[in-house]
Amino acid sequence: ETGVTQTPRHLVMGMTNKKSLKCEQHLGHNAMYWYKQSAKKPLELMFVYSLEERVENNSVPSRFSPECPNSSHLFLHLHTLQPEDSALYLCASSPSQGVRNSPLHFGNGTRLTVT
Amino acid sequence: QKEVEQNSGPLSVPEGAIASLNCTYSDRVSQSFFWYRQYSGKSPELIMSIYSNGDKEDGRFTAQLNKASQYVSLLIRDSQPSDSATYLCAGVNFGNEKLTFGTGTRLTIIP
Repeated sequence: ETGVTQTPRHLVMGMTNKKSLKCEQHLGHNAMYWYKQSAKKPLELMFVYSLEERVENNSVPSRFSPECPNSSHLFLHLHTLQPEDSALYLCASSPSQGVRNSPLHFGNGTRLTVT
Repeated sequence: QKEVEQNSGPLSVPEGAIASLNCTYSDRVSQSFFWYRQYSGKSPELIMSIYSNGDKEDGRFTAQLNKASQYVSLLIRDSQPSDSATYLCAGVNFGNEKLTFGTGTRLTIIP
């Protein structure tokens, strides 16, 4: 497999559930990202990891917890979510953290619905 | 002012015509810009990047950057139905060096 792979593609969860989103990149990149995409809103950066170290937490509520065990894998652990958290969650990677000349490669996303 | 602004559309263009997509940016955004195409239910895909004032052409796509007026454009020549998608404009935030996206413009090419 090549590129950035996300699982699951779709997820429905109740507000009391705990679930995890998984992302895997096969591009040899050093930086990985979580973005949230909601209808009629710009892509919102949530977290950035560079060489497995979290370098940015963009004021994301603690009910979202990222984990980066190695440079190829990224997880987003979810617990006690709210209905407004329903969105498309996109994982991305780039060769290095500075995106100026190192644009993002996105996965196909996980469509999350919180009931 | 939002850092990156786009008209959300929808923009409808007849097949074979030129589609023109526009994006403006604030002083908080640097002059490295990217255009991503996102088909419905799919991930954003990078199609063009532009760093210098002027035009950059790649096949049927031309990106234009006007630093004085702080806008970026994407022109699609000989539009095809397969060009129907949402186009996202993104610039690099000066402060944190991270990509800042516009809301996207939904483009429909009418056969």
